[in-house]
Amino acid sequence: DAGVTQSPTHLIKTRGQQVTLRCSPKSGHDTVSWYQQALGQGPQFIFQYYEEEERQRGNFPDRFSGHQFPNYSSELNVNALLLGDSALYLCASSSRTGIETQYFGPGTRLLVL
Amino acid sequence: AQSVTQPDIHITVSEGASLELRCNYSYGATPYLFWYVQSPGQGLQLLLKYFSGDTLVQGIKGFEAEFKRSQSSFNLRKPSVHWSDAAEYFCAVDNILTGGGNKLTFGTGTQLKVEL
Repeated sequence: DAGVTQSPTHLIKTRGQQVTLRCSPKSGHDTVSWYQQALGQGPQFIFQYYEEEERQRGNFPDRFSGHQFPNYSSELNVNALLLGDSALYLCASSSRTGIETQYFGPGTRLLVL
Repeated sequence: AQSVTQPDIHITVSEGASLELRCNYSYGATPYLFWYVQSPGQGLQLLLKYFSGDTLVQGIKGFEAEFKRSQSSFNLRKPSVHWSDAAEYFCAVDNILTGGGNKLTFGTGTQLKVEL
């Protein structure tokens, strides 16, 4: 049973560029959440997708957007990158059936120069 | 707003010694609580969770945690630490959102070092 997978593992971008990160949820899961983890900090909730719609959003600007596909996989897009966007981006999947545990992928390490 | 406090940023223990990592939460309703572990450069692995029922929960790798409502705490314990337990540990509370869905609020983490 494959767990949550994310790609790419590492990424280097320059300020002002745009980036797309990808996530495939754990088998049987239909909900995907994205978190940003800055160095030395705990993960911060960005948003959550279910039924191909953004359901909830954390305190992040509109430069952060996402998408969920019919197969439940998801993308995180960040436009106009800032140095402060450098972080580990974590995807978590869960099932919508109730209070379910979120399972995390290995993350994508983004460095903005 | 809900919050999670992990008062110890770094903890060092000797291999074989017991371990307790502290976690305090602020949440208006019955909390759903989690402990995750993160090895360097890796994602988060679930150690254990508390939803309801028995306040002492068992997890993987010999870890356990006790929910104490009166103290708003959910401390993680292990009777005998192994060198492979060196990692960063995060406590989290699940916020069930009024519009549906849920999100985790994390503490800032406790970095565990194990001395051989």
